[in-house]
Amino acid sequence: GQNIDQPTEMTATEGAIVQINCTYQTSGFNGLFWYQQHAGEAPTFLSYNVLDGLEEKGRFSSFLSRSKGYSYLLLKELQMKDSASYLCALQDRDSNYQLIWGAGTKLIIKP
Amino acid sequence: DAGVTQSPTHLIKTRGQHVTLRCSPISGHKSVSWYQQVLGQGPQFIFQYYEKEERGRGNFPDRFSARQFPNYSSELNVNALLLGDSALYLCASSLAGSDETQYFGPGTRLLVL
Repeated sequence: GQNIDQPTEMTATEGAIVQINCTYQTSGFNGLFWYQQHAGEAPTFLSYNVLDGLEEKGRFSSFLSRSKGYSYLLLKELQMKDSASYLCALQDRDSNYQLIWGAGTKLIIKP
Repeated sequence: DAGVTQSPTHLIKTRGQHVTLRCSPISGHKSVSWYQQVLGQGPQFIFQYYEKEERGRGNFPDRFSARQFPNYSSELNVNALLLGDSALYLCASSLAGSDETQYFGPGTRLLVL
């Protein structure tokens, strides 16, 4: 089975950098996704990691270490609009790649 | 290009009623997945359909059913509604439903009274 853990809430300052961690215990997965979700809205795709290492996409980067069961999302030059929940999700290889989700980390940006 | 669309956006029902939620995938996408998201939690997988066939089913009771049409749009049906069915129901589409990225619609917010 899968178990995914994320911090419930984090606070950061506008212009700063924040790292949101995601740890998991799983029997096997294809890749790991990060999604952003503003309150009352649908999740929007941010990044996808299959191989270990860092994937950079503008202000957002995501890192995966399969041996450590660990991923993080790094947000740079924080803006007020980055206030949202950030969810990590694993593609379960044993069930046709369905997504197994963490509960999400609510990120609060302060001026 | 239009993204994933869902209807209705909001719905209020009473216990015991039935509801049908609809989803149209991104043009060219052949797979649709349905998720239930309760406030403060991550989405929970309900169903995945590809080429009108059910490809996966989550841990939901038989009151939940779905189907996919020849144009790849999909319906989620929930019978005998319970208070606990109140949630945001999300539809996601992908090209072929295997290891591609899933793109989400705006969701249908269901309130059961």
